[in-house]
Amino acid sequence: DGGITQSPKYLFRKEGQNVTLSCEQNLNHDAMYWYRQDPGQGLRLIYYSQIVNDFQKGDIAEGYSVSREKKESFPLTVTSAQKNPTAFYLCASKTERNYGYTFGSGTRLTVV
Amino acid sequence: QKEVEQNSGPLSVPEGAIASLNCTYSDRGSQSFFWYRQYSGKSPELIMSIYSNGDKEDGRFTAQLNKASQYVSLLIRDSQPSDSATYLCAVTPSGGSTLGRLYFGRGTQLTVWP
Repeated sequence: DGGITQSPKYLFRKEGQNVTLSCEQNLNHDAMYWYRQDPGQGLRLIYYSQIVNDFQKGDIAEGYSVSREKKESFPLTVTSAQKNPTAFYLCASKTERNYGYTFGSGTRLTVV
Repeated sequence: QKEVEQNSGPLSVPEGAIASLNCTYSDRGSQSFFWYRQYSGKSPELIMSIYSNGDKEDGRFTAQLNKASQYVSLLIRDSQPSDSATYLCAVTPSGGSTLGRLYFGRGTQLTVWP
């Protein structure tokens, strides 16, 4: 079955650590997106990519980095520069047709 | 920044009633509108999309769009306790590519009580 796989489901980060969240899709979608969700704040866009080897900053890119070396993969690194990383992270993808996103199941990141 | 506004709720309705969820958006040129359902602790799931003025029905769900008023709504008929979730409104911005981002509202929490 086609879909988006995010891993891990839960992730714990120590202060000063970088961590990488995985997002893989087998939907043959061109565009992929990373959102962060905090309680009461809705979804905020971190980064997105419309084509391999290219990506754009979203609204809250500081402290995050991404790469898009393959069409299927769009990993997100939460760096130590991100001071408040505890949140629910959602990866999504989209085709060129006028449809909404397909979301992965999310990664819940907690700072310990 | 494109604004998408939703009543945060919570909205509470009895089982069998009609739940009405509302969304307004600031970008007059927006063309595509989506409703997502998100259960607690889960990721959003697309339940309705609408692109033209008027109503679009899918089972117990009806999406209504009025571009002149910059307003989109979701009606849930015969509400069930399983409809209890947060409903997110999402909008595509004008002038963007078909692979561009969506803008989301903060969501309306719906509770359907037996």
